[in-house]
Amino acid sequence: QSALTQPPSASGSPGQSVTISCSGTSSDIGGYNYVSWYQQHPGKAPKLIIYAVSQRPSGVPDRFSGSKSGNTASLTVSGLQADDEADYYCSSYAGNFQGVFGTGTKVTVL
Amino acid sequence: EVVLVESGGGLAQPGGSLRLSCAASGFTFSSYPMAWVRQAPGKGLDWVSGVGGDGTVTHYADSVKGRFIISRDNSKRMVFLQMSSLRAEDSAVYYCAKSHSEVSLYPGLDYWGQGALVTVSS
Repeated sequence: QSALTQPPSASGSPGQSVTISCSGTSSDIGGYNYVSWYQQHPGKAPKLIIYAVSQRPSGVPDRFSGSKSGNTASLTVSGLQADDEADYYCSSYAGNFQGVFGTGTKVTVL
Repeated sequence: EVVLVESGGGLAQPGGSLRLSCAASGFTFSSYPMAWVRQAPGKGLDWVSGVGGDGTVTHYADSVKGRFIISRDNSKRMVFLQMSSLRAEDSAVYYCAKSHSEVSLYPGLDYWGQGALVTVSS
């Protein structure tokens, strides 16, 4: 199963918004509503910020939002804060009882 | 509070074996599927394996199928990953993670351990 495609980097100034894309196929993102997003700070374990395409776990601010259109999922971070600077990974069910992660996007807060 | 603690990482030779363990607390363990995800140094996340709540259903990435075995002991609140025929490319930090859903692994993994480092080298 090939990794989902994300842009290597994205950036924005504090208070601005940044959107990260996650491109897959009809066999993964396009076929199921099982897209999740994770935030990972250096040296730390990943943290779930979006599950089931657009749902936020308890405690995750509504500045984080997720969506899907066709074979592409997106994560938008609004009102950028310094602590949002991290790596972000998408993930999807890929059929055949396997999951797949994206290539990862490093978000920089300017 | 949900806590996951991995152990068993270390150095293994190519072709060798290693067994990772994950101790869970703070939730109804037997109700939730669990997964192992790895991350090679400086690289992205890589889905490895998953197991259903009762342990009867197991899933594997193609890259580890036939070499790794996932299991769980609900009485001890533990998940295991038995790794055999190890290769250099298996070197990574291995994370144990809890499913957000009681039904399926795939909507999302909501709690992760701190990771266990596995190095495969002669």
